[in-house]
Amino acid sequence: EPEVTQTPSHQVTQMGQEVILRCVPISNHLYFYWYRQILGQKVEFLVSFYNNEISEKSEIFDDQFSVERPDGSNFTLKIRSTKLEDSAMYFCASSEKKGAQYFGPGTRLTVT
Amino acid sequence: AQSVTQLGSHVSVSEGALVLLRCNYSSSVPPYLFWYVQYPNQGLQLLLKYTSAATLVKGINGFEAEFKKSETSFHLTKPSAHMSDAAEYFCAVSEEGGADGLTFGKGTHLIIQP
Repeated sequence: EPEVTQTPSHQVTQMGQEVILRCVPISNHLYFYWYRQILGQKVEFLVSFYNNEISEKSEIFDDQFSVERPDGSNFTLKIRSTKLEDSAMYFCASSEKKGAQYFGPGTRLTVT
Repeated sequence: AQSVTQLGSHVSVSEGALVLLRCNYSSSVPPYLFWYVQYPNQGLQLLLKYTSAATLVKGINGFEAEFKKSETSFHLTKPSAHMSDAAEYFCAVSEEGGADGLTFGKGTHLIIQP
């Protein structure tokens, strides 16, 4: 069964460094998403991406965040200058159309 | 704006007993509703979805949920709990034809007692 994959599974970085989180969505899906889950809190929507552009973003997704689909398979989230409060689990998701989204296993980002 | 409330951060049931996880939503337009399950150290797995068709929705692993518009609820049930059902369960809502991002509840940790 097709699934969303994410790399790395765990990323440790120092405050102020840039990180890129990578995702490979399900191949025939057209909508891509990033969410985050701070430890002990609920899953929060960051951004959605369709037709090579951002279709919606939350207030969390400020100028330090960016997304890109550099080729036909990868979907990336870049955090330009990480802060301690960026430590969280980051989930990528994809969907064939608006509706049911399928999530990857997540990348645990630890900012020290 | 939409929101999701999950009553009970922890629910404990005995193996073989009925599982009932509560979810209430608010939405200004007809919603799409979802239940996801998260096993320890894993991602979110879609259990079931409601997208304005049948109000009783059957999902994987014997779970089902009923959409009740009058009660703005989408409670998740399973007739007989199994030890492998122990996990975190999240209810989520999105607006039909509207915003893309899912709004999640805080989650309910299901504990199965032997």
